[in-house]
Amino acid sequence: TQLLEQSPQFLSIQEGENLTVYCNSSSVFSSLQWYRQEPGEGPVLLVTVVTGGEVKKLKRLTFQFGDARKDSSLHITAAQPGDTGLYLCAYISSGSARQLTFGSGTQLTVLP
Amino acid sequence: GAVVSQHPSWVICKSGTSVKIECRSLDFQATTMFWYRQFPKQSLMLMATSNEGSKATYEQGVEKDKFLINHASLTLSTLTVTSAHPEDSSFYICSRDRGNTEAFFGQGTRLTVV
Repeated sequence: TQLLEQSPQFLSIQEGENLTVYCNSSSVFSSLQWYRQEPGEGPVLLVTVVTGGEVKKLKRLTFQFGDARKDSSLHITAAQPGDTGLYLCAYISSGSARQLTFGSGTQLTVLP
Repeated sequence: GAVVSQHPSWVICKSGTSVKIECRSLDFQATTMFWYRQFPKQSLMLMATSNEGSKATYEQGVEKDKFLINHASLTLSTLTVTSAHPEDSSFYICSRDRGNTEAFFGQGTRLTVV
């Protein structure tokens, strides 16, 4: 059972369309992170959200942390083929080991 | 540039043989590193936490005798898949963090067992 459930699992859209990816949990987190992974590579951090209700923008990407700090969303405006990849939300455990636990993932394909 | 280097990028081995994957922290002495496994079109699943100078901590369901982890120095952790079988074929990725910021990942190793 995934502590972080992402939806949708797969998403295929045309270039120029908008989309939203959701990361939901019943647990409360001190922070959540979003990563993007391209085939054959490791994930790369996009953003960390810390404050409930926080909104962060990274060019055409808008990230929001839920007020209750249980969920987060990623909105992409005018998607481009270069946005194609696996999007992963994640949280860092509070213990000394600081393990990173990923959500179930959303595979995005943007068609030209 | 990359701060975590993983080698090899891909490897094909025969069933029953062992494969060693190296993960190097290039810019930071890492007392802790992490090993993940990823199946096609799925998320990353944490396998174990590699601790410099002590035993690795394995996640539930991960066989410690099959996936041997050695963290002999502050810059190198290795994962050895012993007696590999086709079901061990997967993408293996290591990472380290830098305090309370972000995790840095290696390039990953595609293991195919035939």
